[in-house]
Amino acid sequence: DVKVTQSSRYLVKRTGEKVFLECVQDMDHENMFWYRQDPGLGLRLIYFSYDVKMKEKGDIPEGYSVSREKKERFSLILESASTNQTSMYLCASSLGSPDTQYFGPGTRLTVL
Amino acid sequence: GENVEQHPSTLSVQEGDSAVIKCTYSDSASNYFPWYKQELGKGPQLIIDIRSNVGEKKDQRIAVTLNKTAKHFSLHITETQPEDSAVYFCAASTSGSARQLTFGSGTQLTVLP
Repeated sequence: DVKVTQSSRYLVKRTGEKVFLECVQDMDHENMFWYRQDPGLGLRLIYFSYDVKMKEKGDIPEGYSVSREKKERFSLILESASTNQTSMYLCASSLGSPDTQYFGPGTRLTVL
Repeated sequence: GENVEQHPSTLSVQEGDSAVIKCTYSDSASNYFPWYKQELGKGPQLIIDIRSNVGEKKDQRIAVTLNKTAKHFSLHITETQPEDSAVYFCAASTSGSARQLTFGSGTQLTVLP
């Protein structure tokens, strides 16, 4: 089975802190994604990557950056966390395009 | 870009009844339509998908229908059970699109015993 793991299930940070969310997949998938999930808004794409060191902006990239130095790992970075970034963050991976996306369990981030 | 609308936002049914969730999409070039189920505390998981070259697909109690002319697709769950209670998301994708998937806003399905 495909497994996508995220570094933390719950995270509490202060406004202005730099935050790292990490995602690892074990199926040699080409594509990796970061989504943000908010009630009533569904899943909104922040960034995605289709290859090592490659990245593309999604719908809501402002305030976020990403890093993909290895194929299996995709990191989401909040350079200076703000309260409006309090949300559930979901990582996913897929083999092709378009193709089934496999999701991690999510990280619930609270910014105080 | 693609826009996906999903209705209803909440749905309650009695155990054993059927449930239907509907989605519309805007990009006529979209050709892949997956449905995801998200249980409490978990990430979404694919339950069924359909590509534009077919109009209907079934997998046991779950079926998806696609009307490309009207640009809408629906999820049908028959003989609902309490374990079907979850949030369901539809999505649409254009083959080769850098955007991959655009998701609907989700439907909270509650199956009442």
